[in-house]
Amino acid sequence: DVKVTQSSRYLVKRTGEKVFLECVQDMDHENMFWYRQDPGLGLRLIYFSYDVKMKEKGDIPEGYSVSREKKERFSLILESASTNQTSMYLCASSLFRGEQFFGPGTRLTVL
Amino acid sequence: QKEVEQDPGPLSVPEGAIVSLNCTYSNSAFQYFMWYRQYSRKGPELLMYTYSSGNKEDGRFTAQVDKSSKYISLFIRDSQPSDSATYLCAMSANAGGTSYGKLTFGQGTILTVHP
Repeated sequence: DVKVTQSSRYLVKRTGEKVFLECVQDMDHENMFWYRQDPGLGLRLIYFSYDVKMKEKGDIPEGYSVSREKKERFSLILESASTNQTSMYLCASSLFRGEQFFGPGTRLTVL
Repeated sequence: QKEVEQDPGPLSVPEGAIVSLNCTYSNSAFQYFMWYRQYSRKGPELLMYTYSSGNKEDGRFTAQVDKSSKYISLFIRDSQPSDSATYLCAMSANAGGTSYGKLTFGQGTILTVHP
């Protein structure tokens, strides 16, 4: 079974803090994705990566950056957290075929 | 207009009912169609994956794709309380190339199956 793990299930941070969300997959997938999920807005793509050290902006990249130093690990960085970044963050990975496998999610609250 | 439209519900049915969940889309380039199930406070899990038009069956679940109408459906037979979740449709234009398997999601339909 594909396994995608995320470093934290719940996280509480203060406005202005730098926040790191980590994602690890164990199936040697090329593609990795970061989404946020909000009620009424569905899943929105923040960034994705199709190879080590490669990244592409998704639909809502503002306020976020990413890092992919190793194939299995994809990190999402909030440079200066704001309250409007309170959300559920989901990481996913896939082979070329497009079916994505998701982690359990990190519920981030920014106070 | 969104590329993928999905009625958010909520949908409430009695145990044993047949459930029909639907999505419509506008991008004729979509070829790969998926259904995900998401339980409360969990990540989405892949339920069904189909390519192009046709039907696919897996146990109590049947996925249908009608590309001519740009319409996809998920049917759940003999629904159970454990099927209560949010169901998300997702689709992509191609499996590789420049899109790198990017998916476009529907908003999700909240389903409750009551005993």
